[in-house]
Amino acid sequence: EIQLQESGPGLVKPSQSLSLTCSVTGYTITSGYDWSWIRKFPGNKMEWMGYISYSGSTNYNPSLKSRISITRDTSKNQFFLQLNSVTTEDTATYYCARKNNWYYFDYWGQGVMVTVSS
Amino acid sequence: DIQMTQTPSSMPASLGERVTISCRASQGISNYLNWYQQKPDGTIKPLIYYTSNLQSGVPSRFSGSGSGTDYSLTISSLEPEDFAMYYCQQYDSSPDTFGAGTKLELK
Repeated sequence: EIQLQESGPGLVKPSQSLSLTCSVTGYTITSGYDWSWIRKFPGNKMEWMGYISYSGSTNYNPSLKSRISITRDTSKNQFFLQLNSVTTEDTATYYCARKNNWYYFDYWGQGVMVTVSS
Repeated sequence: DIQMTQTPSSMPASLGERVTISCRASQGISNYLNWYQQKPDGTIKPLIYYTSNLQSGVPSRFSGSGSGTDYSLTISSLEPEDFAMYYCQQYDSSPDTFGAGTKLELK
């Protein structure tokens, strides 16, 4: 069974960086597909943030392009989100998800809530 | 970015009722439209992909339709586990964008 699980600090100070890990079990992230970060804001808006592909290429939402980085550790079967210069507007629940060959997100993590506050 | 206008934002409904949720794209999206369900515990699962294809394991009371800019998700007869949030998502043009969500509530 494929499972994704997010982890990371639940509280980040404004202007600092937000760093999250997605640990994947049941599938090797270098075998295929795109591995995304998606966030859901208070008030329910959802935003696709970006992905790292099985080959290691990345694609980011232009709204975040100057602040976001998605990387991976293939030895641990994990991928990571770094979001720089956070503000209170980045308070959200962050999800990692797999996008399959039919272009939908078929597996999701349970989400991790991150609050940006001093 | 393509804007997805999802309606209604909330919908009180009764068990056994037939409900329809709509999504309108700001431009044609060639059926590149998916639907997701989010439960109160935060878990998200896909329901429908490419407008009308049912995800494996999803009950047949869920169906999707649409074309051009207008798409809909229908639940033919509400069961207790269907009271949740629903989102549409387009992937015709990057970045993928989501509708604002519909909260299906027990009347």
